[in-house]
Amino acid sequence: EIGLTQSPGTLSLSPGERATLSCRASQSVSSSYLAWYQQKPGQAPRLLIYGASSRATGIPDRFSGSGSGTDFTLTISRLEPEDFAVYYCQQYGSSPLTFGQGTKVEIK
Amino acid sequence: QVQLVQSGAEVKKPGASVKVSCKASGNTFTNSYLHWVRQTPGQGLEWMGIINPSAGSTSHAQKFQGRVTMTRDTSTSTVYMELSSLRSEDTAVYYCATEGSSSWFGNWGQGTLVTVSS
Repeated sequence: EIGLTQSPGTLSLSPGERATLSCRASQSVSSSYLAWYQQKPGQAPRLLIYGASSRATGIPDRFSGSGSGTDFTLTISRLEPEDFAVYYCQQYGSSPLTFGQGTKVEIK
Repeated sequence: QVQLVQSGAEVKKPGASVKVSCKASGNTFTNSYLHWVRQTPGQGLEWMGIINPSAGSTSHAQKFQGRVTMTRDTSTSTVYMELSSLRSEDTAVYYCATEGSSSWFGNWGQGTLVTVSS
């Protein structure tokens, strides 16, 4: 089973600032099969990025994903008020599919 | 875009079973594999398994071996997830989700809270 470790646990930033979230895998994720999700309280997760760097339909271009192998990054170039939420990474390169424990982006 | 509507919240006693439904809208029911994911305060997001709505074939995480059953009813475009021998650690929000071109989850149901308590 591939473990995913996200850092930091909490990121305190102001609107307009850049957010950089990390997801590190315990072993290489095949074919960059890594996705990122955003979750707000009381809602289901929302797909942001798949294939490590492809934005899902309707996702603003301030969200970008990068990385390969064991190290992946989600970058939000300029935080908007609606971006304060919890973010999860997920690998789908091998079974069982696994998620990171999440990074909370909170307003400073 | 397919919409997924799940059944309502459940309260169960330890040792009981729960069956959660997930109804897909539109005529794409048999076109996309469907997954079950649960979210607990302690374990976060946890993948449970996958069902092919067309063939009915399933696969699940080893952790749930012997306890989880996934089925589908093509006449109503509904999939079901039944979890047996419930314990307090199974208290969670259970989601169904469709996969895209690979096993990333583009569409999610609204979630079903299952509470296991004596």
